Amino acid sequence: DAGVIQSPRHEVTEMGQEVTLRCKPISGHNSLFWYRQTMMRGLELLIYFNNNVPIDDSGMPEDRFSAKMPNASFSTLKIQPSEPRDSAVYFCASSPQGSSYNEQFFGPGTRLTVL
Amino acid sequence: GENVEQHPSTLSVQEGDSAVIKCTYSDSASNYFPWYKQELGKRPQLIIDIRSNVGEKKDQRIAVTLNKTAKHFSLHITETQPEDSAVYFCAASMGGGNKLTFGTGTQLKVEL
Repeated sequence: DAGVIQSPRHEVTEMGQEVTLRCKPISGHNSLFWYRQTMMRGLELLIYFNNNVPIDDSGMPEDRFSAKMPNASFSTLKIQPSEPRDSAVYFCASSPQGSSYNEQFFGPGTRLTVL
Repeated sequence: GENVEQHPSTLSVQEGDSAVIKCTYSDSASNYFPWYKQELGKRPQLIIDIRSNVGEKKDQRIAVTLNKTAKHFSLHITETQPEDSAVYFCAASMGGGNKLTFGTGTQLKVEL
């Protein structure tokens, strides 16, 4: 198994541009999580999905952020327009919802820099 | 919602010594408590977890204890080695498909 796959691994963009981050969860996992990690705020949950349905998006900072999961094998996190304060490492994680405990498997992350 | 507090934020120990990191949680419904290790520039990875029906769990040099009454849990690393240097995160969850709430992390440095 290839694990959780994220792309791109690094993204440098200018303020105001649209940014799309992509995630492919581990096959068979029903839950998918998007996190943002910064030195100041630590590891923050942005949104998570169960069976492709958004369950909790209370961590999404503002309307500039949106996430979709059109099918069980793909999710996107979009920032439009991007701002310098969005610079962070964004992790996607997946877990097998049906298990009695939910170990989350993290992807390698996307390091986003907004100039 | 759940709130997880983690202490200390930084911890420096000599190689071979023990290290202890402590976390408290607020929601008594939480029943799953994992610990993740994140090396510099890498992703967080699960190192050990404990469920609320167990008070202690060990895996070689690492152990986790849980006190449900006090709502706190701890990570213990014995005989620390330089490769244990990393950021450690505790987390709490109600299990199943529910989200994890992470602590703020502890930067552990093992000095030679």
